[in-house]
Amino acid sequence: AQSVTQPDIHITVSEGASLELRCNYSYGATPYLFWYVQSPGQGLQLLLKYFSGDTLVQGIKGFEAEFKRSQSSFNLRKPSVHWSDAAEYFCAVVRGNMLTFGGGTRLMVKP
Amino acid sequence: NAGVTQTPKFQVLKTGQSMTLQCAQDMNHEYMSWYRQDPGMGLRLIHYSVGAGITDQGEVPNGYNVSRSTTEDFPLRLLSAAPSQTSVYFCASSHDRGHETQYFGPGTRLLVL
Repeated sequence: AQSVTQPDIHITVSEGASLELRCNYSYGATPYLFWYVQSPGQGLQLLLKYFSGDTLVQGIKGFEAEFKRSQSSFNLRKPSVHWSDAAEYFCAVVRGNMLTFGGGTRLMVKP
Repeated sequence: NAGVTQTPKFQVLKTGQSMTLQCAQDMNHEYMSWYRQDPGMGLRLIHYSVGAGITDQGEVPNGYNVSRSTTEDFPLRLLSAAPSQTSVYFCASSHDRGHETQYFGPGTRLLVL
């Protein structure tokens, strides 16, 4: 069963515009949730993670994400996108000893 | 620290050939894992290890073997390559299990003809 769903395969935003990438999960009462970013030809880098506590978590590069248990969501946001944010973004959830990834959202940034 | 290193960067195989993808980390991490990345499917876990001498299957283990004789190394073996194994392979490590931040290698791009 799919544990993590990222509904948007591609998103295009203008530089300076706000961004929200969606992530829905279907595992665990108290899930461990992550957002990773992959630049072209690179491995993945952690943006932020949620284990417990404050449901709004801050990450690197100005990103934040909000955990909403009632909606089973962990959406990633950024108030003002930069051209260098163009990349693929992956949401992930821990299942036992394994990390399960969503299918990814490719972000394109228009000048 | 070099972090997580993978070799080779790129490999072409013929169907039925075998090969080993190498992965090493110098961070003394206990947990290591192998993923494959295919378009639209994100990363899928192949095998993982929670420490030297201990390995387990992930979501898509068929056609792949692993071993973990040292903390540093976690090679992935393809015994008889198939075109369906054409993919980009990433190795990752973390201090402890899957709950911790995982550090990814740069990937190995494999083409099976």
